Amino acid sequence: GENVGLHLPTLSVQEGDNSIINCAYSNSASDYFIWYKQESGKGPQFIIDIRSNMDKRQGQRVTVLLNKTVKHLSLQIAATQPGDSAVYFCAENVGGGADGLTFGKGTHLIIQP
Amino acid sequence: DTEVTQTPKHLVMGMTNKKSLKCEQHMGHRAMYWYKQKAKKPPELMFVYSYEKLSINESVPSRFSPECPNSSLLNLHLHALQPEDSALYLCASSFGQGNTEAFFGQGTRLTVV
Repeated sequence: GENVGLHLPTLSVQEGDNSIINCAYSNSASDYFIWYKQESGKGPQFIIDIRSNMDKRQGQRVTVLLNKTVKHLSLQIAATQPGDSAVYFCAENVGGGADGLTFGKGTHLIIQP
Repeated sequence: DTEVTQTPKHLVMGMTNKKSLKCEQHMGHRAMYWYKQKAKKPPELMFVYSYEKLSINESVPSRFSPECPNSSLLNLHLHALQPEDSALYLCASSFGQGNTEAFFGQGTRLTVV
């Protein structure tokens, strides 16, 4: 994978490689974080979430890492496939209630054959 | 059923028209949301309904009027919109308590002419 830094709008990776998408969040009171995938013409689709009492969570081919000290979140996608091409957003929520989500800027992941 | 259904998928309206966007979910979620998404931007929260009552209005102009007829339905009434209101309007729902993900619909692509 390649650490592309923060707020980079586009990440291009070779099919089969690992992808790492980064996100910085602003509210130190945020206690719940979600990664969404949005394909062209569709609504955001849930990928994985993590609560602030954890620093790592794994799903199928995806891992989310949370560093509360520097307010940083990352999404790792293993063995990237063409179907992973999309825009990826991190989102944060404060308090665990129905307050809505605040989304990050998003990263467009492009898979090269 | 894990779907949030939005109608219509596409809408073109004039600046003097009145139209409504509709959203429906049958997951037993008690929180429903409207988000606005401009091209190449993240979704931005507009309104939150919790237990059928408006709990958050993110300073949205009055030409957008939300309505929650019951726990499964959410409407967004539109009147006297401007061309800059053209965007993808996303509906979402969640359990509203505790840290659980929000499910999004596919959105309504609105064009104001």
